[in-house]
Amino acid sequence: AQRVTQPEKLLSVFKGAPVELKCNYSYSGSPELFWYVQYSRQRLQLLLRHISRESIKGFTADLNKGETSFHLKKPFAQEEDSAMYYCALRSGTSYGKLTFGQGTILTVHP
Amino acid sequence: GAVVSQHPSWVICKSGTSVKIECRSLDFQATTMFWYRQFPKQSLMLMATSNEGSKATYEQGVEKDKFLINHASLTLSTLTVTSAHPEDSSFYICSARERGYTEAFFGQGTRLTVV
Repeated sequence: AQRVTQPEKLLSVFKGAPVELKCNYSYSGSPELFWYVQYSRQRLQLLLRHISRESIKGFTADLNKGETSFHLKKPFAQEEDSAMYYCALRSGTSYGKLTFGQGTILTVHP
Repeated sequence: GAVVSQHPSWVICKSGTSVKIECRSLDFQATTMFWYRQFPKQSLMLMATSNEGSKATYEQGVEKDKFLINHASLTLSTLTVTSAHPEDSSFYICSARERGYTEAFFGQGTRLTVV
């Protein structure tokens, strides 16, 4: 069974501070990991995926298979980063079907 | 980018009635659609997966007769909550994927309140 765990339900930082949203997963095969973001009153949207190895809006995430983690990081948080963040996993054979973590509400204070 | 639209955005219905929620892909052919349920400040829970022209595959614990899913065309899937009760009140979200592509795009969600 696949599972995604985001241990922090709430995370508060001040503007300009580094931020790290934690995500751990359990899956026996080779998963695809994603971070989704949901801004206030907006739909869920893809932020980044591990296979792209890209930085979006200053966020990066590295897949650590040894620690089964996919933490989301940003060196300098901005107020507009305040949102709900979901880590998600997709198995190799379930195209589109995602297992979501519980989500972390990030609040960036001015 | 690909757009998925849900209708209605919110609905209030009386206990015992049925409610239909539509999910449309506006600029691509959604060969696969997913229906999720989200409780306040909680995660999205996958309810079912539907492929165009086939019966939906429901996740464990989801009542097939309660949540009827129809995916009759490549641009439309519907979720019907039958004989709704207050405990069915939730936020329902669909996502759609086109064959050959791995990414699924999300609708804006539908807030259902059963009174």
